[in-house]
Amino acid sequence: KAGVTQTPRYLIKTRGQQVTLSCSPISGHRSVSWYQQTPGQGLQFLFEYFSETQRNKGNFPGRFSGRQFSNSRSEMNVSTLELGDSALYLCASSFGRTGPAYEQYFGPGTRLTVT
Amino acid sequence: GQQLNQSPQSMFIQEGEDVSMNCTSSSIFNTWLWYKQDPGEGPVLLIALYKAGELTSNGRLTAQFGITRKDSFLNISASIPSDVGIYFCAGHGRDDKIIFGKGTRLHILP
Repeated sequence: KAGVTQTPRYLIKTRGQQVTLSCSPISGHRSVSWYQQTPGQGLQFLFEYFSETQRNKGNFPGRFSGRQFSNSRSEMNVSTLELGDSALYLCASSFGRTGPAYEQYFGPGTRLTVT
Repeated sequence: GQQLNQSPQSMFIQEGEDVSMNCTSSSIFNTWLWYKQDPGEGPVLLIALYKAGELTSNGRLTAQFGITRKDSFLNISASIPSDVGIYFCAGHGRDDKIIFGKGTRLHILP
């Protein structure tokens, strides 16, 4: 069974631009969560989608948004990029949202650098 | 909001030594998860715990869900070079959010 895939793996953008990151979950998984990882703040939860609906949201500004498609693939978008948005963006998928079904499996991440 | 305090932040040990790290919180969690992250990769799930007091092993790794539901620990026995990396605890609590600790960076001295 293929793992979680994320594209692109690396991205360089300039301040003010926008970016879209993509995540394909493990086959059969319906929940996709996004995290931002930085050396100073660690892993911070962005949002979670389940069956195309946003079920949970972290404390990030509205510039960060996401969506999930009917095949469970998910995208996240960051508009008006700031230098502080430079981070590793990780996607994790799980089968469901309770108990063992909520065990999250991570992709390799997208390394975003904002200059 | 809910927070996890993970300690120690880093550890320097000799190959063959046992390792212990833990996570504590002021809030109750329903699930504890332990992950390992290698450089340039996403975290990999090591052990999941679902019941207070539960003790679970995965090879040389053992983790326990604290009986107060506010803490968990991870032990690694007889460490080997490939154990190097960052270990994260994560708790699944109220609001259905998964909260991560800041990580324990494990170094193994030659």
